[in-house]
Amino acid sequence: AQSVTQLGSHVSVSEGALVLLRCNYSSSVPPYLFWYVQYPNQGLQLLLKYTSAATLVKGINGFEAEFKKSETSFHLTKPSAHMSDAAEYFCAVKGDTGRRALTFGSGTRLQVQP
Amino acid sequence: DAMVIQNPRYQVTQFGKPVTLSCSQTLNHNVMYWYQQKSSQAPKLLFHYYDKDFNNEADTPDNFQSRRPNTSFCFLDIRSPGLGDAAMYLCATSSRGSTDTQYFGPGTRLTVL
Repeated sequence: AQSVTQLGSHVSVSEGALVLLRCNYSSSVPPYLFWYVQYPNQGLQLLLKYTSAATLVKGINGFEAEFKKSETSFHLTKPSAHMSDAAEYFCAVKGDTGRRALTFGSGTRLQVQP
Repeated sequence: DAMVIQNPRYQVTQFGKPVTLSCSQTLNHNVMYWYQQKSSQAPKLLFHYYDKDFNNEADTPDNFQSRRPNTSFCFLDIRSPGLGDAAMYLCATSSRGSTDTQYFGPGTRLTVL
């Protein structure tokens, strides 16, 4: 079965500081991995996805993530946080063959302090 | 712009009173999903349609039903809402492609009084 673990339900950074949101996955087959962002009372917006091409994936709003098979990780980073980055971030995996649905992590709420 | 639309954005219903949530898409995607998201939790898949084929998750309560009359529209029916059904309901779509990126609508927040 596929699963996702997001370490840290809340992360707080200062504006301009590095953002690092952690995601570890489990999958019985090579996975597809996704990061979504959710602003209050809104749906999920795709930030980036890994689909077995380049291991370093660049997304929207300056975010990127690196797929590390040996560590089963797909951590999300941004060099310099902006106030507008404050939101909930979800990592998701699609791995098991025959299962179309995504499995989401429990989410990480990012706070950006001025 | 191609998009996923959900109506209404906010829905208030009474305990036990049936309610229907609507989702439409202009992406011409084959697959449509309904997720339930409770406060501070991850989205939980209720069911999805692959074209007209309905796929129910094993733990989705019978109280939840869905209809997909055509490619563009999908409905979520809650036959007898309970207080525990208060949540954000998210609709998503994807194509048949192998990456299966899901595109989400803005959600409908359901309140049960």
